[in-house]
Amino acid sequence: AQSVTQPDIHITVSEGASLELRCNYSYGATPYLFWYVQSPGQGLQLLLKYFSGDTLVQGIKGFEAEFKRSQSSFNLRKPSVHWSDAAEYFCAVGGFNDYKLSFGAGTTVTVRA
Amino acid sequence: KAGVTQTPRYLIKTRGQQVTLSCSPISGHRSVSWYQQTPGQGLQFLFEYFSETQRNKGNFPGRFSGRQFSNSRSEMNVSTLELGDSALYLCASGQGARETQYFGPGTRLLVL
Repeated sequence: AQSVTQPDIHITVSEGASLELRCNYSYGATPYLFWYVQSPGQGLQLLLKYFSGDTLVQGIKGFEAEFKRSQSSFNLRKPSVHWSDAAEYFCAVGGFNDYKLSFGAGTTVTVRA
Repeated sequence: KAGVTQTPRYLIKTRGQQVTLSCSPISGHRSVSWYQQTPGQGLQFLFEYFSETQRNKGNFPGRFSGRQFSNSRSEMNVSTLELGDSALYLCASGQGARETQYFGPGTRLLVL
């Protein structure tokens, strides 16, 4: 069975500081990995995805993530956080011929001035 | 290109009623998936349709059903509503199994 664990429920970071959100997955085959962001009352916006190839992927809004197969991890990073990055972040896993995504519980990011 | 649209955006129903939610995918996308989001259970997969065929279904009771039309638009129906069905229902569209799913803004359902 596929599953995603986001160990941090809530993270508070100062504006301008770096951010790292952790994601660990369990998947029986080659995973496709995604990070989505959700602002209050909104749908999910795709930040970045990993299907294959370079294990360091760049996304929108200055985010990047690194796929580490040996650690079953896909952590999201941003070097300098902006107040507008305050939101909930979801890691998700899917796969080839897998017609669904399994999501982690999400990490809420608060940005303090 | 227009994004995924969902109607209605907000809905209030009472227990025992039924509800139909609609989703229009991004033009050219043939896959539509539905997810339920609640504070307690998080994001859970309901079902996925491709070219009018349901290819996968999540672990939900038979009260939850869906369909897809020839123009790729999709509807989901929940019959005999329960209080626990109160949730944000998200629709996502994509071009296929290995492609990115793009989400709509969701329909927030409140069951009283």
